[in-house]
Amino acid sequence: DADVTQTPRNRITKTGKRIMLECSQTKGHDRMYWYRQDPGLGLRLIYYSFDVKDINKGEISDGYSVSRQAQAKFSLSLESAIPNQTALYFCATSTRRGNTDTQYFGPGTRLTVL
Amino acid sequence: RKEVEQDPGPFNVPEGATVAFNCTYSNSASQSFFWYRQDCRKEPKLLMSVYSSGNEDGRFTAQLNRASQYISLLIRDSKLSDSATYLCVVRGDGSSNTGKLIFGQGTTLQVKP
Repeated sequence: DADVTQTPRNRITKTGKRIMLECSQTKGHDRMYWYRQDPGLGLRLIYYSFDVKDINKGEISDGYSVSRQAQAKFSLSLESAIPNQTALYFCATSTRRGNTDTQYFGPGTRLTVL
Repeated sequence: RKEVEQDPGPFNVPEGATVAFNCTYSNSASQSFFWYRQDCRKEPKLLMSVYSSGNEDGRFTAQLNRASQYISLLIRDSKLSDSATYLCVVRGDGSSNTGKLIFGQGTTLQVKP
């Protein structure tokens, strides 16, 4: 079984619709992240959370919101989707052990906004 | 200037070849460096961390040059299964504690028979 799961894996939606992407993990990690990946731009951080009551904006948070419902769950919402939010979205988890903090990624959600 | 820059390639090499990728980063306070591997349409996975003294893992060697702010990855005896995109990753804020990573756009390697 995968340690980090994302649902849905693929989604096509229309401009203006509200979309929620969900992430769950069984790794017991306290830290969770949402990234988007666009061709030629690499992965960019949208939001991150170091604990259930901790939410932080990343590099490109405009147009997105998140909810950390439990340590194992971190959801990303697009309140009103627009075409330039078409991208591959990854959730990641980590926990600090000594000086290391390796991030483990989910399989990704491919989102298309028409 | 991008915080982490890589040559996107693609690098097309025959099996058995040695290939090297370089990456530069802009934040001189960065403390932690990594190479991730990403297969087509899959999630990134940690390949190896990069230590100041350089480190090796089988056919893979990573090196860090802090003075010039660049990181390299050397792959020896390339295999078909090495075909993937290699992401240079830097912990972007100079702290080993916050976990925020900055990703390069990736370098694509295609190993041919």
